[in-house]
Amino acid sequence: AQKVTQAQTEISVVEKEDVTLDCVYETRDTTYYLFWYKQPPSGELVFLIRRNSFDEQNEISGRYSWNFQKSTSSFNFTITASQVVDSAVYFCALSGSILTGGGNKLTFGTGTQLKVEL
Amino acid sequence: NAGVTQTPKFRVLKTGQSMTLLCAQDMNHEYMYWYRQDPGMGLRLIHYSVGEGTTAKGEVPDGYNVSRLKKQNFLLGLESAAPSQTSVYFCASSFSGTNTDTQYFGPGTRLTVL
Repeated sequence: AQKVTQAQTEISVVEKEDVTLDCVYETRDTTYYLFWYKQPPSGELVFLIRRNSFDEQNEISGRYSWNFQKSTSSFNFTITASQVVDSAVYFCALSGSILTGGGNKLTFGTGTQLKVEL
Repeated sequence: NAGVTQTPKFRVLKTGQSMTLLCAQDMNHEYMYWYRQDPGMGLRLIHYSVGEGTTAKGEVPDGYNVSRLKKQNFLLGLESAAPSQTSVYFCASSFSGTNTDTQYFGPGTRLTVL
């Protein structure tokens, strides 16, 4: 069975601090994809990144960076110089289970609430 | 390009009432999904569709029905609402059903069952 663990329920930081959100996953699949989604206070789910299991290169997009380490089954997300607008719930998700007849089941973690204060 | 839209945004029902949630996507995606989000539990898949006219059960399908009469629409129905169905419901769509593809989500519907 697949599982995604986000052990940090809530993190509070002061603006401009760096913050890392942890994600640990379990899967027996050899090919899989990992995702991060952002859920701001308005409630929608915003796609941030997708990473496949064969690519362990770190990725950077502006203030966001992701560290994928297959050896520890982790896909951590770092926000550099955090801003108040980064306040949101962040979900890590794992794909790989193809549903009966097709379709891709995403397994989500329980999310990390990030609060960035002035 | 609206992406994935959901109506209504909010709804309050009494136990036993019925309602239908509408999801629409304009990205010509083949696959559509309904999830529910509950505190501390992440998102869980209710039903999904691999194409027009098809539907299938996800991990928590009980108490819900779905229909996909048109490719762009995916309806989620509650025939007899129960307080346990109080949740935020998200619709998602993807171009393909492979694990390489990204699912894009709608803005969610917050449902309260009294």
